Amino acid sequence: DVKVTQSSRYLVKRTGEKVFLECVQDMDHENMFWYRQDPGLGLRLIYFSYDVKMKEKGDIPEGYSVSREKKERFSLILESASTNQTSMYLCASSAPGTGRAQYFGPGTRLLVL
Amino acid sequence: AQSVTQLDSHVSVSEGTPVLLRCNYSSSYSPSLFWYVQHPNKGLQLLLKYTSAATLVKGINGFEAEFKKSETSFHLTKPSAHMSDAAEYFCVVSDNSGTYKYIFGTGTRLKVLA
Repeated sequence: DVKVTQSSRYLVKRTGEKVFLECVQDMDHENMFWYRQDPGLGLRLIYFSYDVKMKEKGDIPEGYSVSREKKERFSLILESASTNQTSMYLCASSAPGTGRAQYFGPGTRLLVL
Repeated sequence: AQSVTQLDSHVSVSEGTPVLLRCNYSSSYSPSLFWYVQHPNKGLQLLLKYTSAATLVKGINGFEAEFKKSETSFHLTKPSAHMSDAAEYFCVVSDNSGTYKYIFGTGTRLKVLA
């Protein structure tokens, strides 16, 4: 079974803090994704990566950056957290190529005060 | 261009009765289609996927979906609902065009009545 883990289930941070969300997958997948999920807005893609050290902006990259130094790990960084980044963050991975099933982690619910 | 429409935002069924969650899609290329389930405060779990093989796809927990190209539909069904099926369900399309774009439906919240 594919396993995608996220470093925290719940996180509370202060405005202006630098926040790191980590995601690890154990299936040797090339593709990894970060989404945020908000009521009424659905899932929105922040960034994705199709290989180590490669990254592509998604639909809402502003205020975020990512790092992929190892194949199994994809980190999302909030450079200076703001209250409008309070959300549920979901990481996913998929096998190489397009049109493949994504496998999701359990999510991190982030609250920025 | 791709799009996906989940026709019902909420569906209520009684335990033991059939479930039908409707999804229509559009895609310029031959699509891959997926259904996911999300329980409260959890991640999305893959229920089943269509990737141009058999048009009737069987998934986990007794769910299945039929790909109908002429109707551009991919409806999710289950013969008999269980209380544990209460959750939100997402239909997702990816068009195999060489992009890494997945389009998510807005979700259908399934309520199962005792």
